[in-house]
Amino acid sequence: DTEVTQTPKHLVMGMTNKKSLKCEQHMGHRAMYWYKQKAKKPPELMFVYSYEKLSINESVPSRFSPECPNSSLLNLHLHALQPEDSALYLCASSQDRGTGVGQPQHFGDGTRLSIL
Amino acid sequence: AQTVTQSQPEMSVQEAETVTLSCTYDTSESDYYLFWYKQPPSRQMILVIRQEAYKQQNATENRFSVNFQKAAKSFSLKISDSQLGDAAMYFCAYNKRDDKIIFGKGTRLHILP
Repeated sequence: DTEVTQTPKHLVMGMTNKKSLKCEQHMGHRAMYWYKQKAKKPPELMFVYSYEKLSINESVPSRFSPECPNSSLLNLHLHALQPEDSALYLCASSQDRGTGVGQPQHFGDGTRLSIL
Repeated sequence: AQTVTQSQPEMSVQEAETVTLSCTYDTSESDYYLFWYKQPPSRQMILVIRQEAYKQQNATENRFSVNFQKAAKSFSLKISDSQLGDAAMYFCAYNKRDDKIIFGKGTRLHILP
């Protein structure tokens, strides 16, 4: 069983739609991450939240808007996406960043996103 | 900049045999962490094993072990007694304190029955 839960598992949307991806963890982790993964490629980091504050934005287009309502939840709001945004979106969490230990990241199952 | 290289895009191994996946990395840091993640077709990235650079002893987790050569900047993963459930994409990853994880391009491992 995964300790990081992502919903929905699959999402098909048109380029004019607005949708949100959700991620939840109850491990008490204080760092949460969004990754984008294309087929047969490694995950690419998009955003990092540390203690509910955005700490890294990897120059992601503004059509992707992250939100961290509390320490357990992470959302990714989608608007006016392009066909090239079709990918697997992975959420991850770790105990903390910068505590002196290379904290492993725990990943969810991902949301498979298709843009029509 | 740090880089992680996995030179084997695909590998195959007979069930119950041993296989080694290679990984090299480039860094000027002395304090960092290395990971192997497994991603089966079910999509979830699963942590297989972790190695702290300051530890000389190679990490081991059941059938999985690493050969960490710090001077050579090499971090290979050995899977003993391969099982069908080991079939997956394996990513080698590097992490320095306060920084993001850098993934290699991955090695797809096939297990032959």
